Amino acid sequence: NAGVTQTPKFQVLKTGQSMTLQCAQDMNHNSMYWYRQDPGMGLRLIYYSASEGTTDKGEVPNGYNVSRLNKREFSLRLESAAPSQTSVYFCASSPDDLFLDEQYFGPGTRLTVT
Amino acid sequence: DAKTTQPPSMDCAEGRAANLPCNHSTISGNEYVYWYRQIHSQGPQYIIHGLKNNETNEMASLIITEDRKSSTLILPHATLRDTAVYYCIVRVPVYYNQGGKLIFGQGTELSVKP
Repeated sequence: NAGVTQTPKFQVLKTGQSMTLQCAQDMNHNSMYWYRQDPGMGLRLIYYSASEGTTDKGEVPNGYNVSRLNKREFSLRLESAAPSQTSVYFCASSPDDLFLDEQYFGPGTRLTVT
Repeated sequence: DAKTTQPPSMDCAEGRAANLPCNHSTISGNEYVYWYRQIHSQGPQYIIHGLKNNETNEMASLIITEDRKSSTLILPHATLRDTAVYYCIVRVPVYYNQGGKLIFGQGTELSVKP
């Protein structure tokens, strides 16, 4: 099993450009999450999807949209990138959020917005 | 805001036990204590979690005080590979209207030294 995979690993955008961060898991997990981590800070939840077909906002959803394409894939879209969105983005999944299962994290996408 | 308080950094000698404290004085009865760690900007890794009782697994032990206002993560024989940022997190189940989210604070940076 590859676990949680994220693409791309690195990305540089100009202010105002758009892009989609891709995340996939091969563990048949129901729940998936997007976090961001700024330098020297802990992770902050952007959006999550408790199950296929549902999404919900986390702590810092502004400027982002998500799509739970199917059970495996959960994408994060920046419609108009801003320098404040420079961060490392982590995707995670868990078997079933309802039962407080542990979350498995991907390797991260390092995004710089200039 | 995160509901936990951790020291920003700690040192530990290789082969000795590392004891990482966490205060969660406002924890409520339905909140669990979780520990994750993050090794050098990789995705966070689950370590252990508990509600009231002490817990042990192959990685660590979790000691929760009787009043549940604080806990200690114990790595029994720390190695250089345990150098990481350790996050203590309190979390409610999803059915308690907060979505079971993990709220990360800034964590404790543990340095294991030879």
